[in-house]
Amino acid sequence: DAGVTQSPTHLIKTRGQHVTLRCSPISGHKSVSWYQQVLGQGPQFIFQYYEKEERGRGNFPDRFSARQFPNYSSELNVNALLLGDSALYLCASSLFLQGNQPQHFGDGTRLSIL
Amino acid sequence: AQSVTQLDSQVPVFEEAPVELRCNYSSSVSVYLFWYVQYPNQGLQLLLKYLSGSTLVESINGFEAEFNKSQTSFHLRKPSVHISDTAEYFCAVSDKVKAAGNKLTFGGGTRVLVKP
Repeated sequence: DAGVTQSPTHLIKTRGQHVTLRCSPISGHKSVSWYQQVLGQGPQFIFQYYEKEERGRGNFPDRFSARQFPNYSSELNVNALLLGDSALYLCASSLFLQGNQPQHFGDGTRLSIL
Repeated sequence: AQSVTQLDSQVPVFEEAPVELRCNYSSSVSVYLFWYVQYPNQGLQLLLKYLSGSTLVESINGFEAEFNKSQTSFHLRKPSVHISDTAEYFCAVSDKVKAAGNKLTFGGGTRVLVKP
């Protein structure tokens, strides 16, 4: 079975632009979460979606938004890009939302802002 | 609010030597505990988890971790490392509170460099 897939793998943007990152969860998984991993740091939680509803949001500005589609895939959108948005963006999926459900990660999208 | 502290940012170790990666957490509620491993240019892979029961948990590739509630720690150990264990290791927690979902709070990571 395919794991979590993310696209694109790499992306270069300039300040002020907008970006959309995409994620397909493991088949059957209903929950998708997004994390930002700045170089040299641990991942930071951005959003969690379950059954197309936002179920959690981390401490990120309103420039960050996301949604989940009926097929459980998800998009992360970032507007008005800043240099500090340069990071690896990780998507993770799980069957359900309970805390004992481990999350399965994709390989990420590496976003570079020039 | 939760926080996870990994006390060592880097751990150099010789091949076949033991290694211990330290992890302490702080939380106002009970938590589940996880260790993830990240190889270069890849996402995170689940290494092992503590949900309940025996406080010592093991992975299929020789790692083990012990949950110590009184010290709020979840240290990771391996008695004999291989070159292929070179990677970054992340300790993480999630809430046992149902409404919190399963979002993870991560530590800053420990980079393990295994030398021949």
